[in-house]
Amino acid sequence: DAGITQSPRHKVTETGTPVTLRCHQTENHRYMYWYRQDPGHGLRLIHYSYGVKDTDKGEVSDGYSVSRSKTEDFLLTLESATSSQTSVYFCAISDRNQETQYFGPGTRLLVL
Amino acid sequence: AQSVAQPEDQVNVAEGNPLTVKCTYSVSGNPYLFWYVQYPNRGLQFLLKYITGDNLVKGSYGFEAEFNKSQTSFHLKKPSALVSDSALYFCAVRDVTGFQKLVFGTGTRLLVSP
Repeated sequence: DAGITQSPRHKVTETGTPVTLRCHQTENHRYMYWYRQDPGHGLRLIHYSYGVKDTDKGEVSDGYSVSRSKTEDFLLTLESATSSQTSVYFCAISDRNQETQYFGPGTRLLVL
Repeated sequence: AQSVAQPEDQVNVAEGNPLTVKCTYSVSGNPYLFWYVQYPNRGLQFLLKYITGDNLVKGSYGFEAEFNKSQTSFHLKKPSALVSDSALYFCAVRDVTGFQKLVFGTGTRLLVSP
């Protein structure tokens, strides 16, 4: 988890409210990713970023948006939270060669 | 499309015995293969990777993995299991061509009994 922090670590929210999760890195890595982890599915990519202001969709991007205004920060926004977005969210980073991804400690989100 | 299969939801082994956690993959080109471990309420920790070269890859905490191209497998092994190895293990694959998206398996829970 060194060099990557996620906030908040736990959050409970209500259906229909917007939620923003933050990932912060101190490694100056170019690539950042957001995944969700659900039982029986492993980790699935939501969105990724290959530079400041450069982002793209992953395999489960519906209902999510991202922003990256600085190298060190990658924000994930649930525009209108639904119960199906209850999950554990992980941020990851990788270096210029993109060979290995390193993960943050995760954010546990419960949508009621 | 890339895919990874971890055929066992759980593997049980006694402490001191060898362990194997299975992984098979499918990619269109040459693969980059990874193993990660997740302890309770923690993020994923990188264990080892295969990029090219020697088919036997050594990683952290005494783990190793063998790349077998003909069987499209990348099984994780350890000669002597510890109770502290009990955790959730993920295999992941990336195609070396195109954008380097990592695809994960569904995970295998390893339970090492004393």
